[in-house]
Amino acid sequence: ELKVEQNPLFLSMQEGKNYTIYCNYSTTSDRLYWYRQDPGKSLESLFVLLSNGAVKQEGRLMASLDTKARLSTLHITAAVHDLSATYFCAVDYGGSQGNLIFGKGTKLSVKP
Amino acid sequence: ETGVTQSPTHLIKTRGQQVTLRCSSQSGHNTVSWYQQALGQGPQFIFQYYREEENGRGNFPPRFSGLQFPNYSSELNVNALELDDSALYLCASSPMTGLNTEAFFGQGTRLTVV
Repeated sequence: ELKVEQNPLFLSMQEGKNYTIYCNYSTTSDRLYWYRQDPGKSLESLFVLLSNGAVKQEGRLMASLDTKARLSTLHITAAVHDLSATYFCAVDYGGSQGNLIFGKGTKLSVKP
Repeated sequence: ETGVTQSPTHLIKTRGQQVTLRCSSQSGHNTVSWYQQALGQGPQFIFQYYREEENGRGNFPPRFSGLQFPNYSSELNVNALELDDSALYLCASSPMTGLNTEAFFGQGTRLTVV
């Protein structure tokens, strides 16, 4: 059974600080996704990581994938309040698009 | 805006009733997946439909069923509702072919069972 574990589950940061969210998964997969969810809202796609060593950056967020270690990271640089949300990583299950196993999410709160 | 639309946005049902949720997929997408997200949890995969056939199912009982139509829109039906079925139900559409693709989620249907 594919399991996806995120840590930390809760993260309180000060504006301007850096931090990393970790996502471990239990079986081989070449596709990993990061999503953002605001309270009461749907999931917004942030990154699609498709191969070992993939690194993608958008604004203050950077995601990477190490398929050998079965680990992805989401790094936050110089956090701002607008980044406050819950972040989920998800891994393909069964090799078909849209069939995803999600972590429990990391609830990020950025305080002034 | 992902182009995936769900209806209704909110719904209140009584335990034991039946409910149908609807999803219109993004243009060009032939695959629809449904997820259940309980409060404070990550989404859980219910099932996926590809070209009108079920193409994978998560750990949900048979009272959760679905359909996909020729235009690739989809329905999720839940019979004999239980209080624990209260959740946000998310639909995601994606193209089946191609490696560099991703699933796009609708805004969700918030179901409350009382």
